[in-house]
Amino acid sequence: DAKTTQPNSMESNEEEPVHLPCNHSTISGTDYIHWYRQLPSQGPEYVIHGLTSNVNNRMASLAIAEDRKSSTLILHRATLRDAAVYYCILYGNQFYFGTGTSLTVIP
Amino acid sequence: GAGVSQSPSNKVTEKGKDVELRCDPISGHTALYWYRQSLGQGLEFLIYFQGNSAPDKSGLPSDRFSAERTGGSVSTLTIQRTQQEDSAVYLCASSPRARWYGYTFGSGTRLTVV
Repeated sequence: DAKTTQPNSMESNEEEPVHLPCNHSTISGTDYIHWYRQLPSQGPEYVIHGLTSNVNNRMASLAIAEDRKSSTLILHRATLRDAAVYYCILYGNQFYFGTGTSLTVIP
Repeated sequence: GAGVSQSPSNKVTEKGKDVELRCDPISGHTALYWYRQSLGQGLEFLIYFQGNSAPDKSGLPSDRFSAERTGGSVSTLTIQRTQQEDSAVYLCASSPRARWYGYTFGSGTRLTVV
């Protein structure tokens, strides 16, 4: 199955936007791009997903490159509660988690 | 219930004993995944159930691990002759359908083998 590549860690100041990148150069035409986050000592939480078009929901926005080989999760105003590990997952026939990006939000 | 329920939330067992972990998915969800997460590590895929199809067992680490899903609803993950390396949080997730829906995760079962 296709793999994703994310930075190990990122920092953001509170109330500023955060752009979390994900590379998935081997994505197939039918793979959905899913984002989840995991707060400390909790199970993963669904954030957003999309196929080709950019997506918005109450939690975040998902910007998908035209060639679909990369995507960016956008948190419009980071809060301290957004500190978590963010996982980008390609969902074709399998639903595998990579190592994710650990986001630190600085007050 | 409103979410995915896992039981027990914590389990301490002696090395060599068998354990059963239970997952109650959201009613009507046909897809169900089991993962495990060791301390400070990412999620490791174990097994996947989709409707009445044969499960994908490719992630089970050894033949001591097995899982079943009765009536397309409740799932049980069984670990026989537990080893210390089996200590981890075991997470279950369910979804209405594949791909175009997100998954809802349970809070997990923390298994400690002593």
